[in-house]
Amino acid sequence: GAGVSQTPSNKVTEKGKYVELRCDPISGHTALYWYRQSLGQGPEFLIYFQGTGAADDSGLPNDRFFAVRPEGSVSTLKIQRTERGDSAVYLCASSLGVQGGGYTFGSGTRLTVV
Amino acid sequence: SQQGEEDPQALSIQEGENATMNCSYKTSINNLQWYRQNSGRGLVHLILIRSNEREKHSGRLRVTLDTSKKSSSLLITASRAADTASYFCATGLIQGAQKLVFGQGTRLTINP
Repeated sequence: GAGVSQTPSNKVTEKGKYVELRCDPISGHTALYWYRQSLGQGPEFLIYFQGTGAADDSGLPNDRFFAVRPEGSVSTLKIQRTERGDSAVYLCASSLGVQGGGYTFGSGTRLTVV
Repeated sequence: SQQGEEDPQALSIQEGENATMNCSYKTSINNLQWYRQNSGRGLVHLILIRSNEREKHSGRLRVTLDTSKKSSSLLITASRAADTASYFCATGLIQGAQKLVFGQGTRLTINP
């Protein structure tokens, strides 16, 4: 596609529920990144895929968070047993995967846990 | 933890003036990038400077990099109301240069 697409754009869920956030990267971009941004803060790294594999998942805060990219294109970020502290904007980005390349970001999913 | 620290946290200037934002970082880098964010959603890539470069220009943007001081600056000349946004520096580390580490950002307001 022309840009990075994230769905849904907004998600409100109850504490304890399971949510899935989807990211559709730019066609041909081998690298895909998930970040989380709280109000007034910079994006915080969660996980990075090169192709189908997670090259670096060191930013996932705990085992309630999991992400997949089974075919090397679309990725899904999964959050189990959501907590109010998970409320944030979840940003996805993709790049060509070469060292030192710029990212193209999606518009994000605003997750609110009530 | 954040690698980059932007300074100032907020900046308000008159349209037509120049805006300068600074970024400091802690560890050695492969490259440093600047991004703009409107309305707290998607970030837009502005410019990338590699560790062996000292200065880059793109339109009204000028970026400098001083690796000895571990700092960078972003200059926006002849500012416009449309430049109002948050600006973030992001560092690509030598180990794992594809993973960018973002700073806290500078909130820039251009007053008409």
